[in-house]
Amino acid sequence: EAGVAQSPRYKIIEKRQSVAFWCNPISGHATLYWYQQILGQGPKLLIQFQNNGVVDDSQLPKDRFSAERLKGVDSTLKIQPAKLEDSAVYLCASSLAGTAAYEQYFGPGTRLTVT
Amino acid sequence: DAKTTQPPSMDCAEGRAANLPCNHSTISGNEYVYWYRQIHSQGPQYIIHGLKNNETNEMASLIITEDRKSSTLILPHATLRDTAVYYCIVRGGGSNYQLIWGAGTKLIIKP
Repeated sequence: EAGVAQSPRYKIIEKRQSVAFWCNPISGHATLYWYQQILGQGPKLLIQFQNNGVVDDSQLPKDRFSAERLKGVDSTLKIQPAKLEDSAVYLCASSLAGTAAYEQYFGPGTRLTVT
Repeated sequence: DAKTTQPPSMDCAEGRAANLPCNHSTISGNEYVYWYRQIHSQGPQYIIHGLKNNETNEMASLIITEDRKSSTLILPHATLRDTAVYYCIVRGGGSNYQLIWGAGTKLIIKP
């Protein structure tokens, strides 16, 4: 089966600019996650969707980050305006459901560099 | 969610079994133990998970102690491709529980 797709793979922007990342989960997966992974650390959950509804966005910096999952399939994560500390890899993952019985499948990530 | 403790790094010879330990002394009864790994420049990859019983799949075996306070991931015949960061995570059963990731163990397989 096709895996989780993400684009772009790399992005370099200047601080205060905006950027958007796209994710296409595995077909049929109801739950979609966005993670931020800073170099040398484990991933940190930013937002979790169940179909097109938000389950958890408690760690999303809502003053600058936004995410949507229209029609319960693809998702977009946006940063506006970007800060230097936003430099990280942004990972998208999906799972059949959001409970612990189901593993998460990750995309390759988007490496963002803010200068 | 319970915290986990893993050694920051380990070495293993190619062809030997790699045994990666994880302590989760504050785990509660409904929390699962998950293992993922992340090969350089790739997204994390699911390996295995369990609740109480030992588990085995085509990739690895998971041994959970009877008191559930620690576990060991076993890669039976390590290859160079198994070089990666391995994450041990405990997570509650409901959909409102997150995977809380630590820094993991950097496993280096040596020829």
